Amino acid sequence: QLQLQESGPGLVKPSETLSLTCTVSGGSISSNSYYWGWIRQPPGKGLEWIGNIHYSGSTYYNPSLKSRVTMSVDTSKNQFSLKLSSVTAADTAVYYCARVRRHYGSGSQFDYWGQGTLVTVSS
Amino acid sequence: DIQMTQSPSSLSASVGDRVTITCQASQDISNYLNWYQQKPGKAPKLLIYDASNLETGVPSGFSGSGSGTDFTFTINSLQPEDIATYYCQQYGNLPLTFGGGTKVEIK
Repeated sequence: QLQLQESGPGLVKPSETLSLTCTVSGGSISSNSYYWGWIRQPPGKGLEWIGNIHYSGSTYYNPSLKSRVTMSVDTSKNQFSLKLSSVTAADTAVYYCARVRRHYGSGSQFDYWGQGTLVTVSS
Repeated sequence: DIQMTQSPSSLSASVGDRVTITCQASQDISNYLNWYQQKPGKAPKLLIYDASNLETGVPSGFSGSGSGTDFTFTINSLQPEDIATYYCQQYGNLPLTFGGGTKVEIK
């Protein structure tokens, strides 16, 4: 059974960089059939897609966050990562990693999710 | 960006009731529409993909329909374990976008 687990600091100071890692177990991250994505959810609010990455390194980012987002993949560790720079209180959210079924080179369905990790931006 | 408008934003129904949620896209997305269930404190779970296909392992009491801009999600007979927030999500165009959610409660 595929499992995803987010890890990283739960508290980040304003203007600093949020860094999270998603560790995939029970399956390989190196599959052409899937992307790997990040989605966030501010407390009490809806879902926002952040971006997807393929094991080859190709990425798709939400334009609303693109200038601050960097995603990377480490196939040797079966992990992928998210960096979000210059954070503000508006970036406080539960961050989820997920497997994304491939669709015409980008993504379609998020079919496996991590449990999510709350990141709070505060001094 | 494609805007996804879900309605209602919340509803209250009795056990055994048929529950219907709608999702309208701001432009034609063919059948590139998914539905998720999110229980409190949990990650979303994929229920329906490509507008009408039931994800493996999901009970048959859930269904979806529609194409183009108008989509419907139905719970055939509401059960206590169905209490959750339901989201639609489109992948017709990037960025991938979600509806605002429909919170389903028991009356």
